[in-house]
Amino acid sequence: DGGITQSPKYLFRKEGQNVTLSCEQNLNHDAMYWYRQDPGQGLRLIYYSQIVNDFQKGDIAEGYSVSREKKESFPLTVTSAQKNPTAFYLCASSISGQGRTNEKLFFGSGTQLSVL
Amino acid sequence: KQEVTQIPAALSVPEGENLVLNCSFTDSAIYNLQWFRQDPGKGLTSLLLIQSSQREQTSGRLNASLDKSSGRSTLYIAASQPGDSATYLCAVKEAGTALIFGKGTTLSVSS
Repeated sequence: DGGITQSPKYLFRKEGQNVTLSCEQNLNHDAMYWYRQDPGQGLRLIYYSQIVNDFQKGDIAEGYSVSREKKESFPLTVTSAQKNPTAFYLCASSISGQGRTNEKLFFGSGTQLSVL
Repeated sequence: KQEVTQIPAALSVPEGENLVLNCSFTDSAIYNLQWFRQDPGKGLTSLLLIQSSQREQTSGRLNASLDKSSGRSTLYIAASQPGDSATYLCAVKEAGTALIFGKGTTLSVSS
């Protein structure tokens, strides 16, 4: 089945540690996104990528890094510089991200990151 | 900067009631508006997408309307069921940006 796979479902980070969240899609979508969701809050954009080897910062990129070496994969690293990393992280993709008016966004099932 | 607001933040209704969820946005220059459903601890599922040139979209018991000039959208749910209990989020797409989300309305339908 086509879709977006996020792993792991739950992740724990120790103080000073970097952790990487995986996101893989087999929808052949060009654009991929990372959002952060805090309890009772909407989604806030961390990074997005519209093409391989290119990505842009979102509203809350500080303390995070990404790479886009393959079309199917868009991993997110939460670095030790992110002082409040506890949140639900959602990966999404769309066909092109170029602003087609009928372009839908598809989401993975999320990763809950907690600090030990 | 675009801002998306959803009112109310939470809503409780008895089964069978028709209900309306509201979404407002500050800049009318949007490509589309999308409504999503999120169950606790899960990702988002797309419900309806209204293109900027459209006024409404329907899917089963759901109907979403869009009034760009006033910066408003509504999601109408007919004959609500306990299985409709979830958080509903709206989001707008602008040129050159990713979707911008509201904080959502958490709906509880009691049997």
